[in-house]
Amino acid sequence: DAGVIQSPRHEVTEMGQEVTLRCKPISGHDYLFWYRQTMMRGLELLIYFNNNVPIDDSGMPEDRFSAKMPNASFSTLKIQPSEPRDSAVYFCASSWGSGYTFGSGTRLTVV
Amino acid sequence: GENVEQHPSTLSVQEGDSAVIKCTYSDSASNYFPWYKQELGKRPQLIIDIRSNVGEKKDQRIAVTLNKTAKHFSLHITETQPEDSAVYFCAASQTGANSKLTFGKGITLSVRP
Repeated sequence: DAGVIQSPRHEVTEMGQEVTLRCKPISGHDYLFWYRQTMMRGLELLIYFNNNVPIDDSGMPEDRFSAKMPNASFSTLKIQPSEPRDSAVYFCASSWGSGYTFGSGTRLTVV
Repeated sequence: GENVEQHPSTLSVQEGDSAVIKCTYSDSASNYFPWYKQELGKRPQLIIDIRSNVGEKKDQRIAVTLNKTAKHFSLHITETQPEDSAVYFCAASQTGANSKLTFGKGITLSVRP
């Protein structure tokens, strides 16, 4: 199993541009989580899905953020338009049974 | 909602000594408590977890203890090694392993050779 796969690993974009982060969960895991990590705020849950259905999006900071899970093997997190304060590492994690398995993360820098 | 706090924020120990990292949580309904280790530039990885029906769990050099009355749980690392240097996160959730986790801010452990 290749684990949770995220792409891209690094993204540098200009303020105002659209950014799309991608995640492939572990096959058979029915929960998928998107987290954001910064030095100031630590790991923050943005949104999570169960069986492709969004369950809790209360952590999504603004309407500029949106997430989808069109099928069991793919999810996206989109930021439009991006702002410098969105710079962070974005982790996707999936789960079935016990504990999360995190992806390698996407380091986003908005300049 | 749940609030998880970790103490201290940094910890430095001599190689071979023991390290104890403590967490408190606020929601008495929480019943699942995992610990994650994150090395610099890498993903958080689950190292041990405990459920509310037990008070202690061990796995080789690491152990976790839970005090539900006081709402705190601790990670114990014995015979520390330089490769134990990392950021350690505790977390808590209400309805089991698949529910959303609330993480503490993390503790940076440094093991001096």
